[in-house]
Amino acid sequence: KAGVTQTPRYLIKTRGQQVTLSCSPISGHRSVSWYQQTPGQGLQFLFEYFSETQRNKGNFPGRFSGRQFSNSRSEMNVSTLELGDSALYLCASSAQRGGTEAFFGQGTRLTVV
Amino acid sequence: GQNIDQPTEMTATEGAIVQINCTYQTSGFNGLFWYQQHAGEAPTFLSYNVLDGLEEKGRFSSFLSRSKGYSYLLLKELQMKDSASYLCAVRDDYKLSFGAGTTVTVRA
Repeated sequence: KAGVTQTPRYLIKTRGQQVTLSCSPISGHRSVSWYQQTPGQGLQFLFEYFSETQRNKGNFPGRFSGRQFSNSRSEMNVSTLELGDSALYLCASSAQRGGTEAFFGQGTRLTVV
Repeated sequence: GQNIDQPTEMTATEGAIVQINCTYQTSGFNGLFWYQQHAGEAPTFLSYNVLDGLEEKGRFSSFLSRSKGYSYLLLKELQMKDSASYLCAVRDDYKLSFGAGTTVTVRA
């Protein structure tokens, strides 16, 4: 079966712009979590969505937001981009909350210039 | 807060065994995951432990002791393709907190 699909794979944006990233989980999976990975901070939790509701949020400013649709696809949005937002953004898919497996997509590499 | 520690680097020879330790202090616990990540790629799921004991999956095994806040990932019969970063992650309240990762280099 198809894995977790993230689009786009690469993005270059200018400071002050906004960006929307998309994640399609594995078919049948209902839980989607987002993570930011940078060389300095490693992998950090952004949000968790389940049944179209945000269940958890990490310690990121309000510029970072997201949503989940009825088909479990999720989007995250970053507004007023800063240079420090340059990172690999990963989403992870699980069949349900607290599942025994969590699979990552290939990520979106965002560069802010 | 969450504190997850693992060694920064390890080097081993092809065919050998390597054990990557992970210690954690977290406010809650709902399972421990191990991931493999090759440079420039996404993390790949390796194992999940929620009960104490050893879980074996082919060449990879993972152990958990909840009372000690300790886990290890054992890689047997090392191959060159096992050169990667290995990430320990603790789930608390349905979110994963990751260690900084252990870079394993396999030498011929």
